[in-house]
Amino acid sequence: DARVTQTPRHKVTEMGQEVTMRCQPILGHNTVFWYRQTMMQGLELLAYFRNRAPLDDSGMPKDRFSAEMPDATLATLKIQPSEPRDSAVYFCASGLEFSGSGNTIYFGEGSWLTVV
Amino acid sequence: QQPVQSPQAVILREGEDAVINCSSSKALYSVHWYRQKHGEAPVFLMILLKGGEQKGHEKISASFNEKKQQSSLYLTASQLSYSGTYFCGTDHQGAQKLVFGQGTRLTINP
Repeated sequence: DARVTQTPRHKVTEMGQEVTMRCQPILGHNTVFWYRQTMMQGLELLAYFRNRAPLDDSGMPKDRFSAEMPDATLATLKIQPSEPRDSAVYFCASGLEFSGSGNTIYFGEGSWLTVV
Repeated sequence: QQPVQSPQAVILREGEDAVINCSSSKALYSVHWYRQKHGEAPVFLMILLKGGEQKGHEKISASFNEKKQQSSLYLTASQLSYSGTYFCGTDHQGAQKLVFGQGTRLTINP
C-alpha cells in the first residue's frame, strides 16, 4: 500500500524552538510538495521539488523556513525560529510527473504543529 | 490565481444530489478534485484534463469546461460517507503545481 509518510504526526513546541518535519514520498515519485493548511488561508503551497531540485519556494517565508531534499526518499521542512503564527497542519504530497501525463498528487497524513 | 469554489457549504439529506463548482481566472491544464474529512489528509477523487471531458467515480462525477475555465463536481444520491470538505486544485501549466480553492463543506444528514 503505497503512501506518503510524514513525521512527526503531532508536535507542540515553544516559540523560538527549531522544528523539523520529514516526508518520505511514494517510492518512484519524482515530485514532492509542501503545503500548509490553516482555517484562514486554506491549503497554501510552500515549496516543491522535482527530481530533488527545488522548483518553487515562493510561498515560503524565507527568513525562517527552509526546505530540502537530501535524497529521493526524504524531504524536510524546517522552521527556525518557530512562531505561534506557524501553527498549522503541514502536508507533504508526492506525484510522478512527466510531460502531458496528467498525473495527480497524493497527500501524506500531515504534521500537526502547535507553537505556544 | 486561487480558484473560486461555490457554494462554500451545503447541507443535504441522504439521497439528495449536490453540485460543487470551481472557477478559475486563468487558463486551465487540469482540475483535480479531493475530499478531506475532519482531521485527515485530502484524498484524491478524480482528475479532469483539458478537452472538456467528464469523468465518473461511482456516484460522483465531474465535468470540465475548458472555455469557461470551470469544473463542476456532481454527487448523486449522496451517502453519509460523502460528508467532508471538497477541494478543487487547478494546474495551469501541466506541471502538477496545484493551487487549491477554499473548499466546500458538505454535510449529509440521515
